[in-house]
Amino acid sequence: GAVVSQHPSRVICKSGTSVKIECRSLDFQATTMFWYRQFPKQSLMLMATSNEGSKATYEQGVEKDKFLINHASLTLSTLTVTSAHPEDSSFYICSAPIYPLNYGYTFGSGTRLTVV
Amino acid sequence: QKEVEQNSGPLSVPEGAIASLNCTYSDRGSQSFFWYRQYSGKSPELIMSIYSNGDQEDGRFTAQLNKASQYVSLLIRDSQPSDSATYLCAVPYDKVIFGPGTSLSVIP
Repeated sequence: GAVVSQHPSRVICKSGTSVKIECRSLDFQATTMFWYRQFPKQSLMLMATSNEGSKATYEQGVEKDKFLINHASLTLSTLTVTSAHPEDSSFYICSAPIYPLNYGYTFGSGTRLTVV
Repeated sequence: QKEVEQNSGPLSVPEGAIASLNCTYSDRGSQSFFWYRQYSGKSPELIMSIYSNGDQEDGRFTAQLNKASQYVSLLIRDSQPSDSATYLCAVPYDKVIFGPGTSLSVIP
């Protein structure tokens, strides 16, 4: 149980275009979704926290106008990378807490974004 | 600033040996701790969680917690090549803080 489905798994886009990444909770309601970015050989860096029905909270240094997060329902959170540039190329992962919290956090399978 | 530190890798152990991975955290109020395994190009998967001082065992994995020293470790017994991955220590606060990860390589 507690599966988060993330799509797409890989995407290549042209510089200046926008890309949407979706994370769906399949068998539970995800009131909170964390969005991470991971560069090669680096750890997960939290970008933002989204809560259903409210504005996302962005970490320091993350441009909220560039990384648009929408969490309109209890089962769907989306991250849109707007006007993507090559430096946005990274591995993006979503994660939701499983309650009770002693079950930890479940992760989506990740999206490999390459901007050319 | 709340921080999670891990011993720097890469860590190499021979097949069959015990791998020891360490993690320290800054917030004395932390109550739960998680170890995740991440294979290259994949998302993390939970392997152990621990909440109280002492040891918690699950198969070949043992998590150890010492809240007084703000230290949590992961032991992998009888290491297998399939254990070669990056191990991330995670400590939830109002959000989850991940350590930088330790890369483990098990040599056949």
